[in-house]
Amino acid sequence: DAKTTQPPSMDCAEGRAANLPCNHSTISGNEYVYWYRQIHSQGPQYIIHGLKNNETNEMASLIITEDRKSSTLILPHATLRDTAVYYCIVYEYNAGNMLTFGGGTRLMVKP
Amino acid sequence: DAMVIQNPRYQVTQFGKPVTLSCSQTLNHNVMYWYQQKSSQAPKLLFHYYDKDFNNEADTPDNFQSRRPNTSFCFLDIRSPGLGDAAMYLCATSRDLVRTGSTDTQYFGPGTRLTVL
Repeated sequence: DAKTTQPPSMDCAEGRAANLPCNHSTISGNEYVYWYRQIHSQGPQYIIHGLKNNETNEMASLIITEDRKSSTLILPHATLRDTAVYYCIVYEYNAGNMLTFGGGTRLMVKP
Repeated sequence: DAMVIQNPRYQVTQFGKPVTLSCSQTLNHNVMYWYQQKSSQAPKLLFHYYDKDFNNEADTPDNFQSRRPNTSFCFLDIRSPGLGDAAMYLCATSRDLVRTGSTDTQYFGPGTRLTVL
């Protein structure tokens, strides 16, 4: 069963903010939200993760709703090199549990 | 600086001919993973090593085997490749198992694209 729902594709104009939504309505209290991205012909790359609070790093910001049922990954100034598939993953560590990639959102940044 | 290295980047093999894909890491990480990614699909975990302990995913076919002779290297052996095994094979590492909320994230290699003729 998929734990996350993401739109299959999105477009964004270069230089604008890209806001990628993710629904995780069945998330449990101990599960974190992780975001990875995969640029064409490359391996996935970690972006950011969070539990309840909003998080920001040099790559992106993560906004998690108060009920934790959804989140948004924000790329503040998208560039053409941000064109990639973005995966939202909910994950809780326990024995035998591994990060599981879902469908992802294919983001196309256009000039 | 390359941290997770996969060779070759492209591999062609014949139906039924054994093939080995290699992965090496310079991070000294305890955990190494192998994923299979078919066209337009998300990566699917095949197995992982925690140090020398091998952990197979329940639905990984017996045709897929792995070896980890030392910390730095891990191999994926496909004993009798079928046409359905054509895919990108991704190797990843993490310092430890990705514990909840930790910064022990996975680092992926560039992948090896396997073609089966």
